[in-house]
Amino acid sequence: AQSVTQLGSHVSVSEGALVLLRCNYSSSVPPYLFWYVQYPNQGLQLLLKYTSAATLVKGINGFEAEFKKSETSFHLTKPSAHMSDAAEYFCAVSYSGNTPLVFGKGTRLSVIA
Amino acid sequence: NAGVTQTPKFRILKIGQSMTLQCTQDMNHNYMYWYRQDPGMGLKLIYYSVGAGITDKGEVPNGYNVSRSTTEDFPLRLELAAPSQTSVYFCASSSGLAEGSTDTQYFGPGTRLTVL
Repeated sequence: AQSVTQLGSHVSVSEGALVLLRCNYSSSVPPYLFWYVQYPNQGLQLLLKYTSAATLVKGINGFEAEFKKSETSFHLTKPSAHMSDAAEYFCAVSYSGNTPLVFGKGTRLSVIA
Repeated sequence: NAGVTQTPKFRILKIGQSMTLQCTQDMNHNYMYWYRQDPGMGLKLIYYSVGAGITDKGEVPNGYNVSRSTTEDFPLRLELAAPSQTSVYFCASSSGLAEGSTDTQYFGPGTRLTVL
C-alpha cells in the first residue's frame, strides 16, 4: 500500500534559519509527490509538486524540494525561515492517473523570532 | 471565482443526529474528494467522485454517504452521528484532465464538526 512518512510532527526554527521538513514515501513505481501547506483554520494550499520533469522542484514562498529516488525522499527546504511560514505542512503521494492522494501525518512548523 | 466552498463552517451534533455537509466548486472540475482531518493523523480520504453520478469509497467511508448529481456539488451525508466522527472535514476538487497524477487538488476551508 502507498504510504508517506513525515519525520517529526513538530519542527521549530529561528527566523532566518534553514527550514528542512522530511518526507519519505514507499513505492515500487515512480510516484507523483506533493507538498501542501495549511495555515491556521484554513484549507490546504499547494506549495509544489514533483511530476518527473526535474528532480529539484521550486514552489511558492521560496520553498523547494528535491526528489531522491535512491533515498525514496522528497524533503522540503527553505533557506531562510520567515514568521509567516509558521503552519502545518503535508507531504502527499499519488501513483497513477488522478487517483486520490495519500497524505502524511503532517509537520507543524514553528518560527521563533 | 470562489473555488471550493463548504457549508457550514462549524456544527455541533448530538449522538444519533444526521446532517449533510455541503461542498460546491465553480471550476468545472470533474474530480471531487472528501477528507477528514484528525489531530496528528493527516488527512484521510472518505469518498471521492470522478464525475456526476460516479462515486467511490476511500480509506474511511463507514458512517458516511455521498452523492454526485451535478458537476458542481458533492454533499457528504452523516447518518447517526457518533463521537468518532468529530473531526474537520475538507472537500477538494481537481480537473481530472492533467496527465498522470500531476493534477492539483484545490481545497475548501473546511467544516469543523463536533459530535457530543
